[in-house]
Amino acid sequence: DADVTQTPRNRITKTGKRIMLECSQTKGHDRMYWYRQDPGLGLRLIYYSFDVKDINKGEISDGYSVSRQAQAKFSLSLESAIPNQTALYFCATSQTGGSTDTQYFGPGTRLTVL
Amino acid sequence: TQLLEQSPQFLSIQEGENLTVYCNSSSVFSSLQWYRQEPGEGPVLLVTVVTGGEVKKLKRLTFQFGDARKDSSLHITAAQPGDTGLYLCAGKYNFNKFYFGSGTKLNVKP
Repeated sequence: DADVTQTPRNRITKTGKRIMLECSQTKGHDRMYWYRQDPGLGLRLIYYSFDVKDINKGEISDGYSVSRQAQAKFSLSLESAIPNQTALYFCATSQTGGSTDTQYFGPGTRLTVL
Repeated sequence: TQLLEQSPQFLSIQEGENLTVYCNSSSVFSSLQWYRQEPGEGPVLLVTVVTGGEVKKLKRLTFQFGDARKDSSLHITAAQPGDTGLYLCAGKYNFNKFYFGSGTKLNVKP
């Protein structure tokens, strides 16, 4: 089984709808991240969490919110989806936060907002 | 503007050729990582470099961290079709979070 799972893998929604993307991990890591990937822009950090009680904004948090329900679960919400939020979304985890910290990525969720 | 600039953005070469991908910034990073991503999957870590001037080798891949820890390069010797993918550099700034470059899409033709 995969260490970092994301649901759904694909989602098509309409402008104005609220949607939630979920991420679960079995690696036992404290740190979790949400990124979006757009062609030509690489990965950009939306939100990150260093433990269950910690939530931090990333580079592009406007229009998004997150919830860290447990060490293993980190969900991303779009309160009112808009077309320019169409992108590939990745969840990642890491352990220590040191210089050699490794991020482990989920398989991604492809979101289309019509 | 992105904190990390990667070049080239696209690269299409024949099997057996050598190539170099660059990752540049005006900021100093505590460490720099290279990832490879294949279609339909998340990025997978290839290497982490920490010390200025550090060189690491992974089979036919050679990674170098600049002396000032502001830039890095990835050199592939005798590229193979299996090297095809998106290569991403990611810098760790202030020991906090990662910043990713825009990526280099490599296609190695048989």
